[in-house]
Amino acid sequence: NAGVTQTPKFQVLKTGQSMTLQCAQDMNHEYMSWYRQDPGMGLRLIHYSVGAGITDQGEVPNGYNVSRSTTEDFPLRLLSAAPSQTSVYFCASSLQGAEANVLTFGAGSRLTVL
Amino acid sequence: GQNIDQPTEMTATEGAIVQINCTYQTSGFNGLFWYQQHAGEAPTFLSYNVLDGLEEKGRFSSFLSRSKGYSYLLLKELQMKDSASYLCAVLDSNYQLIWGAGTKLIIKP
Repeated sequence: NAGVTQTPKFQVLKTGQSMTLQCAQDMNHEYMSWYRQDPGMGLRLIHYSVGAGITDQGEVPNGYNVSRSTTEDFPLRLLSAAPSQTSVYFCASSLQGAEANVLTFGAGSRLTVL
Repeated sequence: GQNIDQPTEMTATEGAIVQINCTYQTSGFNGLFWYQQHAGEAPTFLSYNVLDGLEEKGRFSSFLSRSKGYSYLLLKELQMKDSASYLCAVLDSNYQLIWGAGTKLIIKP
């Protein structure tokens, strides 16, 4: 049981480049989400999905796109990278329901935009 | 606005007890979570409180007072492996998680 798998673990981009962070889970979780973590700040929600075909914006969605074509996969796309998007990105999933909101996180993807 | 406050950093001695506080001001309340995050790793779930009182789980306990907007995480018999950041998060009225910036706990021998 792999849990939540994120790739790549590290990435360096130049300003204006685009890329996709991959996230896959094998726990049949309906809820999936993307967070960014910056020094001195709490985790901030970028986008989330409550099931295949359904996505919604979080607190900081600008500059990012997501799609959810299957229950297992939830990729995060950076359309035109900016230095402000330098951060550590975490994908997280959980079962549906309020009390079931115990999140399982991926190992993280450290992105640097030059 | 919504706000979660935790101390930035704490230091404690191996074998001792430490209490990490978390105060919150959120639009509604549907539960409070504590997560542990070792440096360079993913957060992992520690505890969930939705009713007032103390929840004990081995060496870790978590307390909640909804009327005071206050929680603490109590770590007993500290071990070097407890050196990590501890994240407090509140589930608001829209069932969205609001996260504190985390408390970095340093354990000294």
